[in-house]
This record gives sequence, structure tokens and C-alpha cells, in this order.
Amino acid sequence: NAGVTQTPKFQVLKTGQSMTLQCAQDMNHEYMSWYRQDPGMGLRLIHYSVGAGITDQGEVPNGYNVSRSTTEDFPLRLLSAAPSQTSVYFCASSHTANEQFFGPGTRLTVL
Amino acid sequence: DAKTTQPNSMESNEEEPVHLPCNHSTISGTDYIHWYRQLPSQGPEYVIHGLTSNVNNRMASLAIAEDRKSSTLILHRATLRDAAVYYCILNINAGNMLTFGGGTRLMVKP
Repeated sequence: NAGVTQTPKFQVLKTGQSMTLQCAQDMNHEYMSWYRQDPGMGLRLIHYSVGAGITDQGEVPNGYNVSRSTTEDFPLRLLSAAPSQTSVYFCASSHTANEQFFGPGTRLTVL
Repeated sequence: DAKTTQPNSMESNEEEPVHLPCNHSTISGTDYIHWYRQLPSQGPEYVIHGLTSNVNNRMASLAIAEDRKSSTLILHRATLRDAAVYYCILNINAGNMLTFGGGTRLMVKP
């Protein structure tokens, strides 16, 4: 199993550009989520999904869209990038509430 | 929101036990206590979780106070690879939403 994979590893955007961060898992987990981590801080939940076709907002959803068309994939879209979205983004998946598996992260810089 | 309080940082010597404390005075009866750790430049990694009873696994032990308002993560023999930020998290109603605080940065000295 590859676990949770994220692409790209690094990305630099200009203000106003849009892009999609990819997240995939091969563990057949129903639950997937996106977090962001600013320097020196803990992770904050952006959006989550409890299964294909179902998504909901977390703590900091503004400026981000998600969709869940398959169990495996949960992309995160930045609609119009802003410098405040400079952060490290982590995707996670889980089968139960006991243990979440995190990806290696995408480091995003918005100029 | 149920919140946790942890020291910002702790130091330990290699091969000695480490006790990482966490206060969660507003915990509800159905909230699980989870611990994750984050090594430098990596995503968080699950360590252990529990509800009321003490728990042991291959990575650590979790000691939960009788009133559940505090808990302690115990690393029995710290190694240099255990240097990380340790997060104590309340899993509200055993759901899938984790709220991370600032965590405790553990430094391990050789």
C-alpha cells in the first residue's frame, strides 16, 4: 500500500492564480480530510468528507473548494490564491475514528 | 470546543522515560483522548488513544486520570528519533474531526 499520497510536494503561485492539490489513498478509507499548518502552529481542518459524494466544512474553509467523486481521491482547489494561504497542506484518511493516516504534505507559497 | 493544554516544550535524555502531560478539564464522557506526533518535515503520525482505562502499545503508554481531566503520554525509553512535536487531542464523540493545539516539542539529548 502506498498509503496517503499528495502531489505536488512544493508549489509556488502568484496571487490570484488557481490550482488543485491532489490527495489519494489506497486503503479504501471512507473518511478523508484536508488540514493546513502555518509555521509554528498546529494543524487546522479545512474540509472533510465522510464518503464519496459527501463533503463538509471544517474550521477554516474560506477560499477552498473540495469534491469527492471517488473513495480514493479528495482534491483541494484554491480558487484565487492569496498570500494568507501560504502554508503546508496535509491530507488525511481513516476508516474509523481511531487512527488517521496523514500524507507527506504539500508546501505552498503564494507570492 | 473541548480544548487541551500542553507545555510548549520538554527535554529528555536519551534512553530515559519521558512523561508528556496534557490537561483537558472540559472533556465530555464520550470524548476519546488521542495522541499524535509530528517529526520534522513530516505529516502527523498516530501514537495512541484511550477513553478511560490506561492503554499500552508498541510506541507508548497512555495514563488517564480517574476524573479524565488529564492524561500523560509515556515514552518508556526515549530515542533521538522520538524528537518531535506531540499533540494531545480530544476526539469529540469519537468522530473523525481532530482539533490540533500547539503541542509539546520534545527534545531528546544524547
